[in-house]
Amino acid sequence: QKEVEQNSGPLSVPEGAIASLNCTYSDRGSQSFFWYRQYSGKSPELIMSIYSNGDKEDGRFTAQLNKASQYVSLLIRDSQPSDSATYLCAVNGYQAGTALIFGKGTTLSVSS
Amino acid sequence: EPEVTQTPSHQVTQMGQEVILRCVPISNHLYFYWYRQILGQKVEFLVSFYNNEISEKSEIFDDQFSVERPDGSNFTLKIRSTKLEDSAMYFCASRGTEKLFFGSGTQLSVL
Repeated sequence: QKEVEQNSGPLSVPEGAIASLNCTYSDRGSQSFFWYRQYSGKSPELIMSIYSNGDKEDGRFTAQLNKASQYVSLLIRDSQPSDSATYLCAVNGYQAGTALIFGKGTTLSVSS
Repeated sequence: EPEVTQTPSHQVTQMGQEVILRCVPISNHLYFYWYRQILGQKVEFLVSFYNNEISEKSEIFDDQFSVERPDGSNFTLKIRSTKLEDSAMYFCASRGTEKLFFGSGTQLSVL
């Protein structure tokens, strides 16, 4: 059974701070890793993807991957109230088209 | 920007009735998926579809569920005899190479 684990939160940070979101996964053969943002009542929206060990930066977002530790993280710099949402970690396997498995998500609240 | 389109946005049905949820994936995508999310819970994989057949399915996708691609654009999920516990948001998604894009969802309420 493939599992993706996240702390459900809520994670509360003040505006302008760095928010750090973490995720672990059970399937060592996983190859692709994604972070989605989901606002209440809306569909998941892709914000970052990462495929190799290390850091990947995109604007205020940095994804970090450590396959040896089976750990993925997302850093949000200069957090804004509009970043308040649930952040979903998703992982898929080595075969093309393999379904993404999602964690339960971490709820982030950014206060102004 | 291309998007995945789902209809209807809301569906209310009586227990035991059949429902069909409809999706138009992004046109050049090859892999299609249905996910569901029960209120307050995680996004759960139901089924994936590739080359006009099911490529993977979860334990949730039992004999009450079926999928079909009746023409070159639509992708449907049918629930034959709905149960109260089928009440959820159902998301269609499609993927070209790596990235999965979701539709806006159909909120299914079974009474």
